[in-house]
Amino acid sequence: EAGVTQFPSHSVIEKGQTVTLRCDPISGHDNLYWYRRVMGKEIKFLLHFVKESKQDESGMPNNRFLAERTGGTYSTLKVQPAELEDSGVYFCASSQFISGQGAVHEQYFGPGTRLTVT
Amino acid sequence: RKEVEQDPGPFNVPEGATVAFNCTYSNSASQSFFWYRQDCRKEPKLLMSVYSSGNEDGRFTAQLNRASQYISLLIRDSKLSDSATYLCVVNKAAGNKLTFGGGTRVLVKP
Repeated sequence: EAGVTQFPSHSVIEKGQTVTLRCDPISGHDNLYWYRRVMGKEIKFLLHFVKESKQDESGMPNNRFLAERTGGTYSTLKVQPAELEDSGVYFCASSQFISGQGAVHEQYFGPGTRLTVT
Repeated sequence: RKEVEQDPGPFNVPEGATVAFNCTYSNSASQSFFWYRQDCRKEPKLLMSVYSSGNEDGRFTAQLNRASQYISLLIRDSKLSDSATYLCVVNKAAGNKLTFGGGTRVLVKP
């Protein structure tokens, strides 16, 4: 079974430019999450989709970040305009919704997109 | 105060030895607990979930102490391939977002 995939693996852009990151979750996984790790810090939650709906976007840093998951399959995360502090590794994760097991779902991570804003 | 605190290490461990380390979490409402392993420049990979009764997976043993709000991981008979950063992760009762510690780096040496 294919794991979570992310594209691109690396992106180097200039301050002020736009970048769009893509995540393809494990097939059949309704839950999709975005996380970010900036240099020297722990991995932090950005947002959570259940199918195409945003369940929790409390971790989104500001309105320069826009996440979508049209059709409930792959997701994109757009940063516009990018700032220097947006540099880091953006991870996507997915999990399968299992009825009756509450909110406990193991999350599987993609390889990440390393974003460098210069 | 961070929600999940870990000793960053590194823990330098002779091959074949046992190493153990903890993490503490601040939110008493946390419901689920995990250890993830992360190799350099790779994604986190689930090592094991941590249950109240404690659980073992091969050479790895995890314990949860809810009263003191800490989680431990013990690695027996360390292998060179165990060298990695071990991330302590908790999941709050409401919603599914994971909260990560900063990681504990383990270096197993011959």
